Amino acid sequence: GAVVSQHPSWVICKSGTSVKIECRSLDFQATTMFWYRQFPKQSLMLMATSNEGSKATYEQGVEKDKFLINHASLTLSTLTVTSAHPEDSSFYICSARKTGMSNQPQHFGDGTRLSIL
Amino acid sequence: GNSVTQMEGPVTLSEEAFLTINCTYTATGYPSLFWYVQYPGEGLQLLLKATKADDKGSNKGFEATYRKETTSFHLEKGSVQVSDSAVYFCALIPNDYKLSFGAGTTVTVRA
Repeated sequence: GAVVSQHPSWVICKSGTSVKIECRSLDFQATTMFWYRQFPKQSLMLMATSNEGSKATYEQGVEKDKFLINHASLTLSTLTVTSAHPEDSSFYICSARKTGMSNQPQHFGDGTRLSIL
Repeated sequence: GNSVTQMEGPVTLSEEAFLTINCTYTATGYPSLFWYVQYPGEGLQLLLKATKADDKGSNKGFEATYRKETTSFHLEKGSVQVSDSAVYFCALIPNDYKLSFGAGTTVTVRA
């Protein structure tokens, strides 16, 4: 079945560091990928929609300059948390949708737990 | 707008008990409906789906039926196991194709 790989699974770093998270669709092409943030015991909050070859669409309240998204190929999207601070600590999850399958389920990565000291 | 309302948890059950998690939705048009499961420390996995009214999704003993008249998609399992302990999310994809999640329901099954 469709597999989405997210890397790294766990990151611990110092405040002020920039952290890059990768999301890859392993066996399908994904024109659209999504980035979510999940706080403990809460639901997923959509941060942005990543579109291959174009700018990402950010949800209201999400800082574009803080969370840089690049979707350079049909199988890879990256989220860079720039100058991370403790309040950015969270569980980040990506998902990918098969190209041409807009109303079909997204396939999720296993998430990245980001801890900023 | 589009929204999903899930039964609040946490839900604690004994093994072999019957599980129901209620889910109702608000959406324009004819959304597709999903249940996702999240095991501790992991991402989300698609559990089952239904794409039109009266469809029944099923997987791993779980079932849910798309009820347009009641705008519901309740999740059920007749006999739960300890390994079913997880957080369950009801979700929909409406006409604008953005996935909307419910708040999630934590289920704990005791041996």
